[in-house]
Amino acid sequence: GNSVTQMEGPVTLSEEAFLTINCTYTATGYPSLFWYVQYPGEGLQLLLKATKADDKGSNKGFEATYRKETTSFHLEKGSVQVSDSAVYFCALSPYTGNQFYFGTGTSLTVIP
Amino acid sequence: GAGVSQTPSNKVTEKGKYVELRCDPISGHTALYWYRQSLGQGPEFLIYFQGTGAADDSGLPNDRFFAVRPEGSVSTLKIQRTERGDSAVYLCASSLGLAGLPNEQFFGPGTRLTVL
Repeated sequence: GNSVTQMEGPVTLSEEAFLTINCTYTATGYPSLFWYVQYPGEGLQLLLKATKADDKGSNKGFEATYRKETTSFHLEKGSVQVSDSAVYFCALSPYTGNQFYFGTGTSLTVIP
Repeated sequence: GAGVSQTPSNKVTEKGKYVELRCDPISGHTALYWYRQSLGQGPEFLIYFQGTGAADDSGLPNDRFFAVRPEGSVSTLKIQRTERGDSAVYLCASSLGLAGLPNEQFFGPGTRLTVL
């Protein structure tokens, strides 16, 4: 089946710290992988995506690399800001399907 | 431009009542999705429409849940005989629905349903 396992939170970091949020997946075939972000009081927004192995998605200083050998799509940012405080969701879309499978979300709080 | 809109933003109802939740997708998006998000969890797929038809309703938990999209645009999620366990945020998303690679899904703000 298809599923996503995400690092549990909450995560609290100081401003300018390095961020990693782990995400691993189980899927049949070759899924596309996504990171969505939910800022306080807002809806889910796409942060970045990768559609095939070894692709790197990037946006707003965040990066994630699609690793087929480890079935992972870890989210990283070199220097977090207070404005990055949000809940981050890893998701996959199967090659032959249309629905997204989401992880449970990781809450990030960045303190000044 | 207008994004996905959902109404109402909050709905409080009593156990056993019927509720309707509305989703207005981005204009031109042929694919529409409903998800349910419980506290502390990620969104869980309910149903997917391509145009007017339900292409995949495998996520609907039971026959109390039903959704329609009669003109291929606005969709309504209908819940009969609500139970306290139905309390959650119901999310709607839409996408271009193009064949081939998975399309980015654009999410609405959600409807928070509370069943007392």
